[in-house]
Amino acid sequence: GQSLEQPSEVTAVEGAIVQINCTYQTSGFYGLSWYQQHDGGAPTFLSYNALDGLEETGRFSSFLSRSDSYGYLLLQELQMKDSASYFCAVRGDSNYKLIFGSGTRLLVRP
Amino acid sequence: EPEVTQTPSHQVTQMGQEVILRCVPISNHLYFYWYRQILGQKVEFLVSFYNNEISEKSEIFDDQFSVERPDGSNFTLKIRSTKLEDSAMYFCASITGAGGELFFGEGSRLTVL
Repeated sequence: GQSLEQPSEVTAVEGAIVQINCTYQTSGFYGLSWYQQHDGGAPTFLSYNALDGLEETGRFSSFLSRSDSYGYLLLQELQMKDSASYFCAVRGDSNYKLIFGSGTRLLVRP
Repeated sequence: EPEVTQTPSHQVTQMGQEVILRCVPISNHLYFYWYRQILGQKVEFLVSFYNNEISEKSEIFDDQFSVERPDGSNFTLKIRSTKLEDSAMYFCASITGAGGELFFGEGSRLTVL
């Protein structure tokens, strides 16, 4: 089977930096993705790592360590609109099936 | 920008009734998915579909569920006899190919009374 663990909630201040961690257990591994979901909305793609290292996309960065089965999403210069749920998702036993973690609810305070 | 569209946005049904949720994936995408999200919980994989057949399905996707691509554009999820616990948001998604970004529709909220 496949499982992912991420914190349920994180609170941070506007302008700050926050890191959301994700650990996974899978029989195989093709890549780790991050999705953002605002309340009542659809998940939207943020970032994808297939290889070890850091991927940067604007204010968002994602890191992967395959040897540690670990990744994180880094959000910089937090804005109020970043308040949302963030899901890590893994392609484990299949490159065509994405399994989501339980999500981390990020609350950005003024 | 191309998008995945889903109808209806919200459906209320009585327990035991059949429901069909419809999706139009992005036109050049080859792999289609249905996911389910119970309120406040995680996004759960139901089924993937490629080349007019199911490629993978989860334990949730039992005999009550079926998927179909009746024509070149639509992709449907049918629940034959709805149960209270089927109440959830159902998301359709599609990708171009292996490892691609998953594009989600806005979802169909199903409420079973």
